[in-house]
Amino acid sequence: EIVLTQSPGTLSLSPGERATLSCRTSQSVSGNYLAWYQQKPGQAPRLLIYGASSRATGIPDRFSGSGSGTDFTLTISRLEPEDFAVYFCQQYGSSPPFTFGPGTKVDIK
Amino acid sequence: EVRLVESGGDLVQPGGSLRLSCAASGFIFSGYWMHWVRQVPGKGLVWVSRLNSDGTITNYADSVKGRFTISRDNAKNTLYLQMNSLRAEDTAVYYCARVWRANDPFDIWGQGTMVTVSS
Repeated sequence: EIVLTQSPGTLSLSPGERATLSCRTSQSVSGNYLAWYQQKPGQAPRLLIYGASSRATGIPDRFSGSGSGTDFTLTISRLEPEDFAVYFCQQYGSSPPFTFGPGTKVDIK
Repeated sequence: EVRLVESGGDLVQPGGSLRLSCAASGFIFSGYWMHWVRQVPGKGLVWVSRLNSDGTITNYADSVKGRFTISRDNAKNTLYLQMNSLRAEDTAVYYCARVWRANDPFDIWGQGTMVTVSS
């Protein structure tokens, strides 16, 4: 099973600031099959990034993903009020289980 | 509108059974693989099970193998999760999610249904 680690656990920032979230995997992720999801309280997760760096349909370009192998990053270039949420990474390319990271909470400073 | 709507969550005693449903609309359900993911409120996401588009390939997390069964009725555009021998640690919100192919991201999620296992 591939274990995902996210850091930091919580990121306290102000609107307009840049957010950099990290996801590390215990093994190399085949095909860069790494996704990022956003989840707000009481809502289902929403797909933001897939294939490590491709934005999902309708996702603003202030969200970007990068990385390969075992180190991946989600960057939010300028935080909007609606971006304060929890972000999860997930590997979906190997055999099951399709594991998620523990999440990074981005909250308002 | 593409939509997944879960139902069937309830309070059940340890050892009991429950069947969750996930009704799909707005897309060709029979063309997609489907997953169940669960989340203890305030905690992380845990993958539970996967089913291919025609219902012939299943996968399960070790924690539910032998107790849960995933299935689908493509004529009814509905995914199911039969949950038997329920334990307190199965308490969570259960989400269904779709993927286009086996190794694709989870692009659409339902709103979730709460399962509580307690005496």
